[in-house]
Amino acid sequence: AQTVTQSQPEMSVQEAETVTLSCTYDTSESDYYLFWYKQPPSRQMILVIRQEAYKQQNATENRFSVNFQKAAKSFSLKISDSQLGDAAMYFCAYRSALTRDDKIIFGKGTRLHILP
Amino acid sequence: EPEVTQTPSHQVTQMGQEVILRCVPISNHLYFYWYRQILGQKVEFLVSFYNNEISEKSEIFDDQFSVERPDGSNFTLKIRSTKLEDSAMYFCASSWGREGSYEQYFGPGTRLTVT
Repeated sequence: AQTVTQSQPEMSVQEAETVTLSCTYDTSESDYYLFWYKQPPSRQMILVIRQEAYKQQNATENRFSVNFQKAAKSFSLKISDSQLGDAAMYFCAYRSALTRDDKIIFGKGTRLHILP
Repeated sequence: EPEVTQTPSHQVTQMGQEVILRCVPISNHLYFYWYRQILGQKVEFLVSFYNNEISEKSEIFDDQFSVERPDGSNFTLKIRSTKLEDSAMYFCASSWGREGSYEQYFGPGTRLTVT
C-alpha cells in the first residue's frame, strides 16, 4: 500500500523569505501523480501544484516549486517570497496513475505560519 | 469560479442516529468522492461514485455508509447508525474525469460530532 509522510507538523517562516516543506512517500508503482494541497483556515483544500512521476522536470507554479526525487521518493514544496496569504495547512498527496484507482492518499499535513 | 459546497458545516448527533451529509459538486463534473479526516489524523478516502454507482470504496466504507445522487445536483453521504468514532471532518470532492490528471475539487467539509 502507498503511504505519504510529512515529518514537519508545523513550520514558520518570515514574510518574504523562502520555506521548504518536506514529504516522502512509498510506492511500488512506477507511474503516479504527486500533489501539494493548501487548506487555509475554515476553507476548502485547493490544489497548489501537481507532478507527474514520468516527468523529470520539476513542476513550478509562480512562487511554488517542487523538488521531485523519484529514486529517493521525496517530494518537497518550496514557497518563495512567502506572503501572509500562504498561511495554511499544506498536504502532500499521492495518486496512482491506474485508471481504476480513484483515491488520493494524503499525508498528515504541515501547518505553515507566516511571521510578519 | 465554481466551487463544491457542503451542508451543514457542523452537525452534532447522538450515537445510533442516522445522519445525511450533503454536497453540491461542480455542475459539469462526473466523478464524486467522499473523504474524512479524524482529528489529528490523515485525510482518508471513503468512496468514489460515477454514473450512479460506487466506483471504488475503502475498508472504512462499510455497510453503515451509503452514498446517493438523488437529483442532478446533490451528492449525499448517509451514516445509518452513527458511532463515536465517526466523529470527523467529512470532505466531498468532484472531478470532471477519473484519471489522476483531472483535479479533484474539494468542498469546505462538514464537521460531524457524535455524542
